[in-house]
Amino acid sequence: DTAVSQTPKYLVTQMGNDKSIKCEQNLGHDTMYWYKQDSKKFLKIMFSYNNKELIINETVPNRFSPKSPDKAHLNLHINSLELGDSAVYFCASSLRDQPQHFGDGTRLSIL
Amino acid sequence: ILNVEQSPQSLHVQEGDSTNFTCSFPSSNFYALHWYRWETAKSPEALFVMTLNGDEKKKGRISATLNTKEGYSYLYIKGSQPEDSATYLCAFGTGTASKLTFGTGTRLQVTL
Repeated sequence: DTAVSQTPKYLVTQMGNDKSIKCEQNLGHDTMYWYKQDSKKFLKIMFSYNNKELIINETVPNRFSPKSPDKAHLNLHINSLELGDSAVYFCASSLRDQPQHFGDGTRLSIL
Repeated sequence: ILNVEQSPQSLHVQEGDSTNFTCSFPSSNFYALHWYRWETAKSPEALFVMTLNGDEKKKGRISATLNTKEGYSYLYIKGSQPEDSATYLCAFGTGTASKLTFGTGTRLQVTL
């Protein structure tokens, strides 16, 4: 009965590969987010979708492309992975400006 | 670049102690202030969302206050318990309400 679920939990891959992280929420929320937790443990917003429409697009390399097929899903595709992409990526959802509910994170390691 | 600062960075208290931490944020263009509790190996969990100057919220032994004019919020924990050990994050929402800027958190450790 996980509210916000991300897969995979761990992702180890080589530099230059393309990978995707999936996120699904069953809370009926209309807004979903991707955050990156950097080496200093900051949570930084990357993208946000409201009702499948992109509303936040921070300064993120265009190798990162979010896709929201419906309100309950927000996937993150990363092309040509680089060493600096190694981080923990968190998905979250909310009803617009209400408290955000987070997934457990995906730990991405680039070899 | 929005600056959201939390202090102290870490705190070690004994069971039964009461404690508080601070979140400082820009006082202009304020929309909301969120507090989250983040236990190790888990995901952040929402505690409070505050929007009005002077707001006070309470959840069990945890409470928070908000001063938007001077740009700070306090989180209080009364009678700390070992299960309160976690990192407490604040996040500042401005303009576009859904966009939050997080602080680096205050790491609390409560020992017996």
